[in-house]
Amino acid sequence: LAKTTQPISMDSYEGQEVNITCSHNNIATNDYITWYQQFPSQGPRFIIQGYKTKVTNEVASLFIPADRKSSTLSLPRVSLSDTAVYYCLVGPFQQGNTPLVFGKGTRLSVIA
Amino acid sequence: GAVVSQHPSRVICKSGTSVKIECRSLDFQATTMFWYRQFPKQSLMLMATSNEGSKATYEQGVEKDKFLINHASLTLSTLTVTSAHPEDSSFYICSARDPFSGGGDYNEQFFGPGTRLTVL
Repeated sequence: LAKTTQPISMDSYEGQEVNITCSHNNIATNDYITWYQQFPSQGPRFIIQGYKTKVTNEVASLFIPADRKSSTLSLPRVSLSDTAVYYCLVGPFQQGNTPLVFGKGTRLSVIA
Repeated sequence: GAVVSQHPSRVICKSGTSVKIECRSLDFQATTMFWYRQFPKQSLMLMATSNEGSKATYEQGVEKDKFLINHASLTLSTLTVTSAHPEDSSFYICSARDPFSGGGDYNEQFFGPGTRLTVL
């Protein structure tokens, strides 16, 4: 599985857009990029997954450049409830039962 | 999305006793479930892969005789921490993949709410 690097922590004010970038230089051709969110004392929750270009859902957007060596999770207009740890994972998740291997994640703190 | 439950949500036990944690997929069948452990302020660490009807696959450094995994049905996997010690105190989380989630286009894994184990 490709190694990922993301900022340890980020702070943001309510209402701002937050962009969390993840580096994955060794991403393989069949690897997908997946982001999970985890609140304290809870299991992680799937946010978004993509392979290339841009993916958007009701929660976030995921931007992936052409070389796929990095990706950016964009959270529009964050609120206090978005305070959590965000994990970027890269692996061949399209098929099979591949376990998820978590890195250190980015601890996002949203301030009023 | 699919729902995964865990029971109990919190357990406190004495050192030397065994504790069983259940992981259930409530509205889908999961031939494979995963068990993770998370210490405070740290990331999730994969412990083992639980396969229905066969032996679990353990990650390097995880003692299979201490962390017994049984995946007896398509909706239930159990993790038993045997002869628990204070250093086993942690947050244990299971996950399962719904093969029909997202139309089968991607591997979205659903996590349980976790079980907080405290060994005195």
